[in-house]
Amino acid sequence: DAKTTQPPSMDCAEGRAANLPCNHSTISGNEYVYWYRQIHSQGPQYIIHGLKNNETNEMASLIITEDRKSSTLILPHATLRDTAVYYCTGGTSYGKLTFGQGTILTVHP
Amino acid sequence: DAGVIQSPRHEVTEMGQEVTLRCKPISGHDYLFWYRQTMMRGLELLIYFNNNVPIDDSGMPEDRFSAKMPNASFSTLKIQPSEPRDSAVYFCASSLGSAVNEKLFFGSGTQLSVL
Repeated sequence: DAKTTQPPSMDCAEGRAANLPCNHSTISGNEYVYWYRQIHSQGPQYIIHGLKNNETNEMASLIITEDRKSSTLILPHATLRDTAVYYCTGGTSYGKLTFGQGTILTVHP
Repeated sequence: DAGVIQSPRHEVTEMGQEVTLRCKPISGHDYLFWYRQTMMRGLELLIYFNNNVPIDDSGMPEDRFSAKMPNASFSTLKIQPSEPRDSAVYFCASSLGSAVNEKLFFGSGTQLSVL
């Protein structure tokens, strides 16, 4: 499984875009990039995942570099409720994900 | 769907006691995972099952930990005997586990405190 590196913390103003980077230089060709977030005292929540192409859903956008060594999660209009720990992780088709330390995103008014 | 259901929500026990954590996955999901979260080590995968069969238990810390999945709708994680260092939040998660769709759905967790 890919080893991921994320900044320990980031700040964002409410209403602005939050761009969370992740380095996954050891990711293999068949590993998807997944993003989850964890709001205090709750279980992690799935956000988005992708393999090579950029992806967008109702929660966020995922930009994956062409060499797949890094990706960026974009929350287009951050709200106070987006304050959470964001995890980037790599996974194969065998149903196993491992989580790093994540990024603590604080959205402030 | 009610989502992944874990019980109890909180468990306080004394060192040496047996602890059993329970999980009901989302109906139709064929993968079930047990994770442990601590401040020091973050979120660690302990074991996962596919179609009720344990596939990888390499994350189970030691023989005091055991997990079972007797049927598709129920799993247990047992610690016997428990120790203070086992204090953590234990999460259960389930997924459809296909090659494309591997979204994990987590339960609310069990906060375990071993005194």
